[in-house]
Amino acid sequence: AQKITQTQPGMFVQEKEAVTLDCTYDTSDPSYGLFWYKQPSSGEMIFLIYQGSYDQQNATEGRYSLNFQKARKSANLVISASQLGDSAMYFCAMRGISGGYNKLIFGAGTRLAVHP
Amino acid sequence: GAVVSQHPSRVICKSGTSVKIECRSLDFQATTMFWYRQFPKQSLMLMATSNEGSKATYEQGVEKDKFLINHASLTLSTLTVTSAHPEDSSFYICSARESSGGPSDTQYFGPGTRLTVL
Repeated sequence: AQKITQTQPGMFVQEKEAVTLDCTYDTSDPSYGLFWYKQPSSGEMIFLIYQGSYDQQNATEGRYSLNFQKARKSANLVISASQLGDSAMYFCAMRGISGGYNKLIFGAGTRLAVHP
Repeated sequence: GAVVSQHPSRVICKSGTSVKIECRSLDFQATTMFWYRQFPKQSLMLMATSNEGSKATYEQGVEKDKFLINHASLTLSTLTVTSAHPEDSSFYICSARESSGGPSDTQYFGPGTRLTVL
């Protein structure tokens, strides 16, 4: 069975600082994809970044980067130069070949608060 | 990115009535659509997966007869909560995928529908 674990229910960061949101996963699939989504208070899920299990390099998208450590089964999200608008819930998610790359399984989420 | 719309955004209904929620992919054809449920301060729980023209696949513990899903076209899926009760009150989010069948397919989410059953 696949599982996503986000151990930080809440995180605080000062504006303009960097912050790392932790995500570990458990799967026996040889091929899988890892995603991070942001959910502001409005409720919409916003796609941030994707990392494939066979990707050699860590994914980056603007201020977002994914610290992918395959052997440790971790896929931490790094947000650089935090902005007040980054305050939201952040979900790590995974999709594997055993589910036909169909099911996207989510972690419990981390609430990030950016302070001025 | 691709846009997924959901309607209505908010609905309040009386216990025993049925509520239909629509999910549309606006600028792409979604071969697969998903319905999630989210309780306050909790994660998204997958309810069902629907493919255009075929029956939905429900997750364990989700009542098929209570949560009717129809994926009539490549751009529209509907979720009908039948005989709604207060415990069905939740935030329902649909998601659509323009599928190539690989792990990198991005799932785009609708803005969600907040259902309150009185």
